[in-house]
Amino acid sequence: QQPVQSPQAVILREGEDAVINCSSSKALYSVHWYRQKHGEAPVFLMILLKGGEQKGHEKISASFNEKKQQSSLYLTASQLSYSGTYFCGTGVSQGGSEKLVFGKGTKLTVNP
Amino acid sequence: SQTIHQWPATLVQPVGSPLSLECTVEGTSNPNLYWYRQAAGRGLQLLFYSVGIGQISSEVPQNLSASRPQDRQFILSSKKLLLSDSGFYLCAWGALRPGANVLTFGAGSRLTVL
Repeated sequence: QQPVQSPQAVILREGEDAVINCSSSKALYSVHWYRQKHGEAPVFLMILLKGGEQKGHEKISASFNEKKQQSSLYLTASQLSYSGTYFCGTGVSQGGSEKLVFGKGTKLTVNP
Repeated sequence: SQTIHQWPATLVQPVGSPLSLECTVEGTSNPNLYWYRQAAGRGLQLLFYSVGIGQISSEVPQNLSASRPQDRQFILSSKKLLLSDSGFYLCAWGALRPGANVLTFGAGSRLTVL
């Protein structure tokens, strides 16, 4: 059930773009994206619920291709503040409630 | 607004000693509550989640247990810690609606077992 993220790590220079992928062996009905700064708790970025949905948050956006069981996070014109570990999470419905299972994360480092 | 408190923030415990981490949520009722663990340099591993008082689902068989004695209180415990229990423990709460269960995490408790 754990989604697979790729790449494991990315190193960018400020202003460059990056794409982080998240895929699952099972059909997804929701994808969540979180960012965790070093030593801090993860912070929610966005959630995608429908196949074909796209969302944006400043210069960070995401797409969700339900048929392919995949979501991608796009970081454009990266800033130093984008550094951190990005996690995708998939919702697993269970008994009328839901648990979130996260991938292993992608560590993004943005250098000046 | 909703807030989540987690304590202690940091602790160092000897192998074989007990553990109790506490998490409380304010500003919401009947939240879903979660305990995650993050080993050094690794991902977020779901340990337990709870949909109500006394209702605990365990995700990974291990040396830990969880309890929810009150609606907005979630406790992670161990009777005897192992070295492998070291890590960053995160409590989180989420809304009830499946498909929109956005999690808000506490600040975390960093446990070192020596």
